[in-house]
Formats: sequence, structure tokens, C-alpha cells
Amino acid sequence: QSALTQPASVSGSPGQSITISCNGTSSDVGTYNLVSWYQHHPDRAPKLIIYEVIKRPSGISSRFSGSKSGNTASLTISGLQAEDEGDYHCCSYAGNAVLLFGGGTKLTVL
Amino acid sequence: QVHLVESGGNLVKPGGSLRLSCVASGFTFGDYYMTWIRQAPGKGLERISYISDTSGTIFYADSVKGRFTTSRDNAQNSLYLQMNSLGAEDTAVYYCARHSSTYNYFDYWGQGTLVTVSS
Repeated sequence: QSALTQPASVSGSPGQSITISCNGTSSDVGTYNLVSWYQHHPDRAPKLIIYEVIKRPSGISSRFSGSKSGNTASLTISGLQAEDEGDYHCCSYAGNAVLLFGGGTKLTVL
Repeated sequence: QVHLVESGGNLVKPGGSLRLSCVASGFTFGDYYMTWIRQAPGKGLERISYISDTSGTIFYADSVKGRFTTSRDNAQNSLYLQMNSLGAEDTAVYYCARHSSTYNYFDYWGQGTLVTVSS
């Protein structure tokens, strides 16, 4: 299986909303509602922010939301804050215990 | 509070070996599948191995199969990755992570340990 496709970078100003896409195929994102998203700041542990497409773990801000349409999953961050700057990775179940990651997206808060 | 701490990363020559460790705290380690995930410079994340709670099931990605060995010691709350025949393509930050109880995402991660393979 191939990795999922994410934009290399996105940017936005404080207070704005941004969306990061995660393009898969009918064998992974399109079939399973098992997409997760991870926030990663340099030299820190990656953090789970969305799982099973739309669910937020306890303690994760409601400014983070997930969705899916066809073979594409999306992460939306509303009310952008400086602390949101970092890398974001998507991941999808692809059957047979396979989990695929995207290439990661660098978010810059202008 | 769940905590995962990796160690053992280092600079190693091609063909060399290295053993990574991950010590867990804040949860019942023996109840969870654990995984190793790496990120090479400029690349995305790659899950290279996972191990079931009892060590009965161990998975390896094709990229490391036959060279890497994952093990765990539930009494010591520890996860290990023995890496042999290392090549430049293995240069990466290596993370240990806990599998969710539904096995389809990773709910806690360590902050990683850097492995550099270079002569």
C-alpha cells in the first residue's frame, strides 16, 4: 500500500480556520472510518488529536475537528493560535492490521 | 499519567547494531499492544513493528523484516527494538507508541530517540 497524501505545508493567520487534507484510496480512507490525526511539535512527543475520523480524545480543544468525504479525510483547526504551529500527520487503517501514514503537513501560523 | 521514554539512539556505522528501549509508566503496560514508529529526515511516519500484549503476535514492515527484532518485558514495563545490519536508510527518529484498545490508532507516544547510520 502507498502512503496517504497530505499537502507539504499550510498557513494561516491567528483567528482564521485552516483545513489539512489527507488523500487515500478506496482501500483505506474510503472504506474504513478509522482515520486518526497527530499533532507534532519539534522535540516533543506526537499527540493524538482526532481518532475514528471525528472523535476527540479527552483534553483536546474543540477547535480541532475531523471529517471525511469519499477517499479524503480532513482536519480543520478553527480559531488558529500560535501554539497550533507544528506538523500534522494523518493515519488510516487499510485492512489486515495495516496502518498507513501521510507524509505530514507543516502548519505555519503567520 | 501515561509516559513513554525511549533511549538508546546513537551514531552507528553501516552494518552495525543498536538496541532501543522504551520504558512505560502510568498504565498497565501488559494490557496493551505496543509499536515502533520511525520518521526519516524529510519523510513521513512509518510504523515498522508492533507487538501484542503477550508477545504472541509480532509484526514487521518489509523495510526492517529480518534485521530488526521487537520484544517486551511486561514485568519491567519495557519495550525493545534490536536493530541489526543497519543502513543509511534506517537513519530516523524512532518513537515508541501505545496502540489504542481498538488497535486502529496510537493514543500515546514517546518523544523519540535519534538513530544516525553513517560512516
